[in-house]
Amino acid sequence: SQKIEQNSEALNIQEGKTATLTCNYTNYSPAYLQWYRQDPGRGPVFLLLIRENEKEKRKERLKVTFDTTLKQSLFHITASQPADSATYLCALHATPGRRALTFGSGTRLQVQP
Amino acid sequence: DGGITQSPKYLFRKEGQNVTLSCEQNLNHDAMYWYRQDPGQGLRLIYYSQIVNDFQKGDIAEGYSVSREKKESFPLTVTSAQKNPTAFYLCASSTHGQGSNYGYTFGSGTRLTVV
Repeated sequence: SQKIEQNSEALNIQEGKTATLTCNYTNYSPAYLQWYRQDPGRGPVFLLLIRENEKEKRKERLKVTFDTTLKQSLFHITASQPADSATYLCALHATPGRRALTFGSGTRLQVQP
Repeated sequence: DGGITQSPKYLFRKEGQNVTLSCEQNLNHDAMYWYRQDPGQGLRLIYYSQIVNDFQKGDIAEGYSVSREKKESFPLTVTSAQKNPTAFYLCASSTHGQGSNYGYTFGSGTRLTVV
């Protein structure tokens, strides 16, 4: 199985700036990769799914890129707001033959007003 | 409203006791999953089920058991063999197939504490 790596250090940015979070994986490229938001004490909430043949996907202020050469996905939040403060998790199918997602450990985003 | 319900929200277990966490969904999803989350950690897969009466072990299945007798329900039993059960348990469900553009739907979690 492969490893999923997200920056464990919290990301602190000012309101209005663009937040960029990174998800790296180590081995084979998955068919698709997903991003979730998790608030303290709550279950994760699905945000976006990007397929291996898609370079970029957008949803409102969110943008996800998928670079199968670099084995990396970037998650951007433009015009960030304090309400965007949460932990963001990436997830993919990491084990061949296993039809269940493996999640990264997440990156905590703190948007300062 | 369709959704996935976990109960109870908080659960306390005595040493040597088995406890069962409930997970029910009315989304008509075929697949269901159990994850465990420890403080400051990511989610680790315990068990998953793609269809009724079938389930597979995840990465940390030891000390846990599940059943999938109905499409809507996927209860998780934490047995006395699980030596460190204190954690936040999350249940999720999803539709089948890579054609889906929808990710997992998670419940609100059960926080289990050994006393």
